[in-house]
Amino acid sequence: QVQLQESGPGLVKPSQTLSLTCTVSGGSINSGDYNWSWIRQHPGKGLEWIGYIYYSGSTHHNPSLKSRVTISEDTSKKQFSLKVSSVTAADTAVYYCARVSALGAFDVWGQGTMVTVSS
Amino acid sequence: SYELTQPPSVSVSPGQTARITCSADALPKRFAYWYQQKPGQAPVLVIYKDSERPSGIPERFSGSSSGTTVTLTISGVQAEDEADYYCQSADSSGTYLVFGGGTKLTVL
Repeated sequence: QVQLQESGPGLVKPSQTLSLTCTVSGGSINSGDYNWSWIRQHPGKGLEWIGYIYYSGSTHHNPSLKSRVTISEDTSKKQFSLKVSSVTAADTAVYYCARVSALGAFDVWGQGTMVTVSS
Repeated sequence: SYELTQPPSVSVSPGQTARITCSADALPKRFAYWYQQKPGQAPVLVIYKDSERPSGIPERFSGSSSGTTVTLTISGVQAEDEADYYCQSADSSGTYLVFGGGTKLTVL
């Protein structure tokens, strides 16, 4: 059974870069059947799609985040990563990694990790 | 930008039927997906491709689509169904994904 686990700093200073990693266990990360995505949830608010990376390595991200987002993968480590640059307090949120199935659904989610942007 | 609109809240008594709608702001509408999220937990997929139910999801959860609106129906609501529910879809190109604002289901 595939499981996802987010890891990274829980506190980031304003203007710095937020970096998170999602480790995939119990399955392959470079199968053409899946894409790998990041989603965040501001405190007490709804879900916001951040972006995803295809098995081919190409990426797409939410235009609202402009060019601050970078998603990459390390298939040898079965990990994919998120970087958000120039963070502000508005980037404080729970960040989830998730698998996107061939059916188009986020069918497997990590438990989420809280990231706070504060000096 | 592509948007999905959900009612902020829905309330039902146990045993009754809850219906949560999700309206897209444009055609063509792509498939919709529904997620259940309980406090402090990650979301769980309950409906995919408008009306399909993943294995392990109770039969009381069903989905339907009409025009630009999709509906999640929970028949015979139980106390354990109290949660936030989110619809999700993609823009016409299928490239950019979007979530609805979420609906809090309260079981009275």
